[in-house]
Amino acid sequence: DAMVIQNPRYQVTQFGKPVTLSCSQTLNHNVMYWYQQKSSQAPKLLFHYYDKDFNNEADTPDNFQSRRPNTSFCFLDIRSPGLGDAAMYLCATSNGAESGNYEQYFGPGTRLTVT
Amino acid sequence: SQQGEEDPQALSIQEGENATMNCSYKTSINNLQWYRQNSGRGLVHLILIRSNEREKHSGRLRVTLDTSKKSSSLLITASRAADTASYFCATDKMATNKLIFGTGTLLAVQP
Repeated sequence: DAMVIQNPRYQVTQFGKPVTLSCSQTLNHNVMYWYQQKSSQAPKLLFHYYDKDFNNEADTPDNFQSRRPNTSFCFLDIRSPGLGDAAMYLCATSNGAESGNYEQYFGPGTRLTVT
Repeated sequence: SQQGEEDPQALSIQEGENATMNCSYKTSINNLQWYRQNSGRGLVHLILIRSNEREKHSGRLRVTLDTSKKSSSLLITASRAADTASYFCATDKMATNKLIFGTGTLLAVQP
């Protein structure tokens, strides 16, 4: 059974055209994360939500925004994609460190191509 | 950067051989995790070892942790072609819900 779902799996957008990636979870986890992963590199955390509290990483460009309308869904908005934003975008969830469970559950990723 | 480092960057072995990957990190941790990533897919959690543990086993996986050296190793015994993937270590960033991922080891198991 899918636990962290990302749609679409592949997304092609034009340079400068806004794009939204979506993530949903059936785990009822408090924390949802968005990572960017470029070829042969480690995932790079963009931001995360603890419940409704948004936590941005200091080096995440303003071009990247996120929304979490409810526990189950989280969106990544790229306002003006550049060629350098082409990457795999991974969504993950966790119960949060306070629960004593540090494991993160990842979705299959969305591969973004910018033309 | 707080990112951990892994070595080797790439490892190619024959089916049936053992594979060992090493991870070094920089800060104090509560725990260290290992994840696997098949090509073009998301990461899958393999095993977690807490800072007060020295060794942990799960099936064909054996993880060690040396907090004095800030290092960990992942051993996969009797490797199979299906073990071909990238392997990442990840440490928790203290007092946060965040993980710091290592640079990854690309393992290729030849049938």
